[in-house]
Amino acid sequence: SAVISQKPSRDICQRGTSLTIQCQVDSQVTMMFWYRQQPGQSLTLIATANQGSEATYESGFVIDKFPISRPNLTFSTLTVSNMSPEDSSIYLCSAGLTGYSEQYFGPGTRLTVT
Amino acid sequence: DQQVKQNSPSLSVQEGRISILNCDYTNSMFDYFLWYKKYPAEGPTFLISISSIKDKNEDGRFTVFLNKSAKHLSLHIVPSQPGDSAVYFCAALYGQNFVFGPGTRLSVLP
Repeated sequence: SAVISQKPSRDICQRGTSLTIQCQVDSQVTMMFWYRQQPGQSLTLIATANQGSEATYESGFVIDKFPISRPNLTFSTLTVSNMSPEDSSIYLCSAGLTGYSEQYFGPGTRLTVT
Repeated sequence: DQQVKQNSPSLSVQEGRISILNCDYTNSMFDYFLWYKKYPAEGPTFLISISSIKDKNEDGRFTVFLNKSAKHLSLHIVPSQPGDSAVYFCAALYGQNFVFGPGTRLSVLP
């Protein structure tokens, strides 16, 4: 298994600003993912964070809005850029030990944009 | 278009009885299915999974049934305990297509 921590756990941000969320895994993992859970909705995959190369984004998500870094096998960041109230969500990272089928999730970052 | 549906947003069950959570999917390419449980302020935790080559998988109090022809799966929890109260997400996978359902909030009443 893997233990995932995220920082910050929550934040309230002003419209137009950016927030960087950090995700730390307690062991080296092949795959890391970023999800968004909007109020009352399910989890939606934003992107796969690739170590040493650009992230792979899902349809509807772009690098300019959600830049992602993955400098090593235990750490990743997600930035929510130029925020608007529609970005208010819970953002979760996960670590995939053997791909999508075995994922361990962090506790999430609750973001409120005013 | 939702590829994975959980049509019951909530379910209440008496402690000790069976909880049945349902999930339907539209894409016949999905070949692996998972159930996650999520408590408030925590990330989802993996519960149980099933491959499309099986129709049943059991782990303690949790059993998942898969009906491929109906594109339907269900999670049975027997007996239900108050600690099972959480949101349950069904998820489906094929290749790099990984999709969560909207979740069902289960309340187990003492």
